[in-house]
Amino acid sequence: KNEVEQSPQNLTAQEGEFITINCSYSVGISALHWLQQHPGGGIVSLFMLSSGKKKHGRLIATINIQEKHSSLHITASHPRDSAVYICAVPFNFGNEKLTFGTGTRLTIIP
Amino acid sequence: NAGVTQTPKFRILKIGQSMTLQCTQDMNHNYMYWYRQDPGMGLKLIYYSVGAGITDKGEVPNGYNVSRSTTEDFPLRLELAAPSQTSVYFCASSHAEGGGYTFGSGTRLTVV
Repeated sequence: KNEVEQSPQNLTAQEGEFITINCSYSVGISALHWLQQHPGGGIVSLFMLSSGKKKHGRLIATINIQEKHSSLHITASHPRDSAVYICAVPFNFGNEKLTFGTGTRLTIIP
Repeated sequence: NAGVTQTPKFRILKIGQSMTLQCTQDMNHNYMYWYRQDPGMGLKLIYYSVGAGITDKGEVPNGYNVSRSTTEDFPLRLELAAPSQTSVYFCASSHAEGGGYTFGSGTRLTVV
């Protein structure tokens, strides 16, 4: 089964800072998911990517399939970005049901 | 377009009671999932379904049952509630396995 590790577990930054959250996994995959869990508990899918880079507003996700690593970047961070960011990958290659990391808790201070 | 609707949002059960968590999606997604989220842990897959009439176990199925009689509905049944089932439960759906997920708002269940 794929093992997912996220770092850091907790991150506090000042408004405007550039944020990087990392995700590593152990087994080759076809696609990786980044999710955002709001303070109220709701979960939103941010990205699904299988190679290269995707951008949505101030959020950028990159993946290196060979190194089994992905990063989520937030530019010009804002207090409303405060949330838990979760990385998810398939259980193993060819089995697309997801296994989830424990998440990175991001707090942006005004 | 409501997405994935879960009810109830909160529930307190006594040990041994039973209940059904409801989940409905209006996106015509084939795949539906039930997850539980415990403090400090990643989401764990309880059961999933790839279409009406088809269900299968996930990582942590013990103590739960599901059914999928229609594409839209995927209820989760707890027959004999135990304190270990205290958790937050999320229903999710996707158009295809591995496709982008849509999550319900969650059900916070406490078993006392």
